[in-house]
Amino acid sequence: AQSVAQPEDQVNVAEGNPLTVKCTYSVSGNPYLFWYVQYPNRGLQFLLKYITGDNLVKGSYGFEAEFNKSQTSFHLKKPSALVSDSALYFCAVRGHFGNEKLTFGTGTRLTIIP
Amino acid sequence: DADVTQTPRNRITKTGKRIMLECSQTKGHDRMYWYRQDPGLGLRLIYYSFDVKDINKGEISDGYSVSRQAQAKFSLSLESAIPNQTALYFCATSDGRGPNTEAFFGQGTRLTVV
Repeated sequence: AQSVAQPEDQVNVAEGNPLTVKCTYSVSGNPYLFWYVQYPNRGLQFLLKYITGDNLVKGSYGFEAEFNKSQTSFHLKKPSALVSDSALYFCAVRGHFGNEKLTFGTGTRLTIIP
Repeated sequence: DADVTQTPRNRITKTGKRIMLECSQTKGHDRMYWYRQDPGLGLRLIYYSFDVKDINKGEISDGYSVSRQAQAKFSLSLESAIPNQTALYFCATSDGRGPNTEAFFGQGTRLTVV
């Protein structure tokens, strides 16, 4: 069965500092990985996805994610945090053809401190 | 107008009542999903449908049923609501081009069972 782990429920970062939100996954075959963001009282918005062959993926709002196959990780990063980045972030994995359910992690609440 | 629309946005219902949550989409996607979000548990898949004639159970389908009335409409029913079904419910869609296509989410329905 496929799964996603987000080991940190809460991450606090000072404004202007780099941020990392961690994600590890487990899936048979090639992984299809995604990051979503949820602002208060809103649905989930797509941030970025892993594309086979690109270990560093760039997405919306200046976010990027680093794929590491040996560590089965897909950490979300941003070089300089903004207060407006404060939100709930979800990592998700989908299996290969024939097993295409999208499975989410438990989420990480990111708070950027002014 | 939103691409994925959920109705109602908020609902309070009594234990034992039947309730239907509706989802419609204008994206032309084949695949539709229902998730529930609970604090600390992330998003858990209830049911998913890859086309009008294809309905599949997710992780937590007990106590729920679904109907795919058309490509654009996917409804979730609680046959006899109970308090632990109090949660935020999300509908999502994706196209069938492959496992690396992102899902699009509605704004959510906040359901309270008293």
